[in-house]
Amino acid sequence: NAGVTQTPKFQVLKTGQSMTLQCAQDMNHNSMYWYRQDPGMGLRLIYYSASEGTTDKGEVPNGYNVSRLNKREFSLRLESAAPSQTSVYFCASGGTGTAAGSPQHFGDGTRLSIL
Amino acid sequence: AQSVTQLDSQVPVFEEAPVELRCNYSSSVSVYLFWYVQYPNQGLQLLLKYLSGSTLVESINGFEAEFNKSQTSFHLRKPSVHISDTAEYFCAVTRDSSYKLIFGSGTRLLVRP
Repeated sequence: NAGVTQTPKFQVLKTGQSMTLQCAQDMNHNSMYWYRQDPGMGLRLIYYSASEGTTDKGEVPNGYNVSRLNKREFSLRLESAAPSQTSVYFCASGGTGTAAGSPQHFGDGTRLSIL
Repeated sequence: AQSVTQLDSQVPVFEEAPVELRCNYSSSVSVYLFWYVQYPNQGLQLLLKYLSGSTLVESINGFEAEFNKSQTSFHLRKPSVHISDTAEYFCAVTRDSSYKLIFGSGTRLLVRP
């Protein structure tokens, strides 16, 4: 079982460049999430999608956009990368129906460096 | 607003010793609580969860956590750790009708031989 798949696994960008991080899940989950992980700060929610066709801002949305392409796929876009966006990015998907109490399943992350 | 506090950023311990990783949360409503584990260069994996019922929950690899509502805590314990338990552990909280998980800053467990 693949679970949650993220591509690419590593990426180096120059300041001002754009890129899209891809995420796909095969667990038929309604909800999907994008987090960033920085040392000593745990995981912070960037955007989430409670169901296909909806997206909402999380704690740190500035500088990012998302697209819920279909039930399986949820992409994160950096339009103009900044060094402050150097981080490890995780995609996750939650349970069907109400997400409350349902554990989230995580991908292996994308390690992004902005020079 | 909800928040999660993991006071210990790193916990060194010798193999076969007991360990406790502390987690406190703040919330004015009923919550669901989780512990996730992250091994190097991997994503987070669910270790255990408290939703309702018995306040003591266990994982398949010997960890347990106890929900204490009066102290707003959900500490993680293991009576005897192994080298393979070396990882970062995250406590997280959510509430009914919310899609959002709030994570603590993590505790790095370092098990030494």
